[in-house]
Amino acid sequence: DVVMTQSPLSLSVTLGQPASISCRSSRGLVYSDGNIFLNWFHQRPGQSPRRLIYMISNRDSGVPDRFSGSGSGTDFTLHISRVEAEDVGVYYCMQGTHWPWTFGQGTKVDIK
Amino acid sequence: QVQLQESGPGLVKPSETLSLTCTVSGGSISGYYWSWIRQPPGRGLEWIGYNNFRGSVNYNPSLNSRVTISVDMSRGQFSLKLTSVTAADTAVYYCGRGERLGFDYWGPGTLVTVSS
Repeated sequence: DVVMTQSPLSLSVTLGQPASISCRSSRGLVYSDGNIFLNWFHQRPGQSPRRLIYMISNRDSGVPDRFSGSGSGTDFTLHISRVEAEDVGVYYCMQGTHWPWTFGQGTKVDIK
Repeated sequence: QVQLQESGPGLVKPSETLSLTCTVSGGSISGYYWSWIRQPPGRGLEWIGYNNFRGSVNYNPSLNSRVTISVDMSRGQFSLKLTSVTAADTAVYYCGRGERLGFDYWGPGTLVTVSS
């Protein structure tokens, strides 16, 4: 299985400040059609996860533009330009290129 | 607005079969992939498998021999069966719509505890 390793595992951020979460895959994520299926999810306490970004950098409808994704090869990053109170929770990366699709272990974000 | 809702027993005895159903409302079940994911208490997410609207299935090899995911298009539902459960199968089980791109719609999740 492809192992997705996130860092840091915990992040304490001041409101209005930027934040970044790294996700590294144990093998390259280029699918046979040339696409890279690297997605990001946010899970607030007691809620189901919500997809934020798909295929590295495509934001879902309704996701604030302070969220962005970047990366290539085996290294990917979720950026939050200015953290707001509603951004607390756990963030997961997920690869959909190699079966079985796998998630990172999660990064917990809270407000300092 | 598409909505998903899991249903089924919250308590299953060891060695028995876990059975859950996901009801899809506000949209068609046709044309999409339908999956189950689980999350043990306090832990991360694990993809169980999917069934697409044509009946093509794919299961996580870690569970492959114990899992069946089926779709009932006439009822707008899809189901999970997991046999020979142990305490390690205790988790919140989510149903979701999607595949390689991840899920764009999730159910609220249902906690299933395996205990005698």
